[in-house]
Amino acid sequence: AQTVTQSQPEMSVQEAETVTLSCTYDTSENNYYLFWYKQPPSRQMILVIRQEAYKQQNATENRFSVNFQKAAKSFSLKISDSQLGDTAMYFCAFMRNDMRFGAGTRLTVKP
Amino acid sequence: KAGVTQTPRYLIKTRGQQVTLSCSPISGHRSVSWYQQTPGQGLQFLFEYFSETQRNKGNFPGRFSGRQFSNSRSEMNVSTLELGDSALYLCASSLEQGSDTQYFGPGTRLTVL
Repeated sequence: AQTVTQSQPEMSVQEAETVTLSCTYDTSENNYYLFWYKQPPSRQMILVIRQEAYKQQNATENRFSVNFQKAAKSFSLKISDSQLGDTAMYFCAFMRNDMRFGAGTRLTVKP
Repeated sequence: KAGVTQTPRYLIKTRGQQVTLSCSPISGHRSVSWYQQTPGQGLQFLFEYFSETQRNKGNFPGRFSGRQFSNSRSEMNVSTLELGDSALYLCASSLEQGSDTQYFGPGTRLTVL
């Protein structure tokens, strides 16, 4: 069974700085998809970024980028120029047939 | 396009009752997945429906069931409610089944007393 591990339950970063959230996963599959979702306090889950396992190039979306290491089964999220609105719970997710989520990392951006 | 909508947003039930939650996907999306979110267990996959058929099912007891209608709207039902069923129930829709990006609704917060 696929498992997703986020080893950092909580993190904080100063506004305008860069932070990296870690995620590892376990699978024997070769083709799959990885996602980062964010869930702001009392608000709904929003897609941050998506990565297809067959693509070697790391996905980027504006200030958000990933470091995808397929052999190491690692999928970290880098947030550059952190903003107060980035404060949220961040979930790493693995999809093959269904979506499996990590436990989440609570990120606080401090002014 | 309107996003995924879920009704009701909040529910309070007592043990032993049953409950039905509704999810309307983004227009054109044919796949609907349901998740349970609790502080202790995190986000857990319940089931996925595509073209009115259940395609995948998570590890939940048979008290949890669902269905999908021809317009892709989905409902999930929980019978004989237990205190441990208190959770945020999230619905997500995607264009196709399996590999597609899922877009989440705001959730239904169920409290079982």
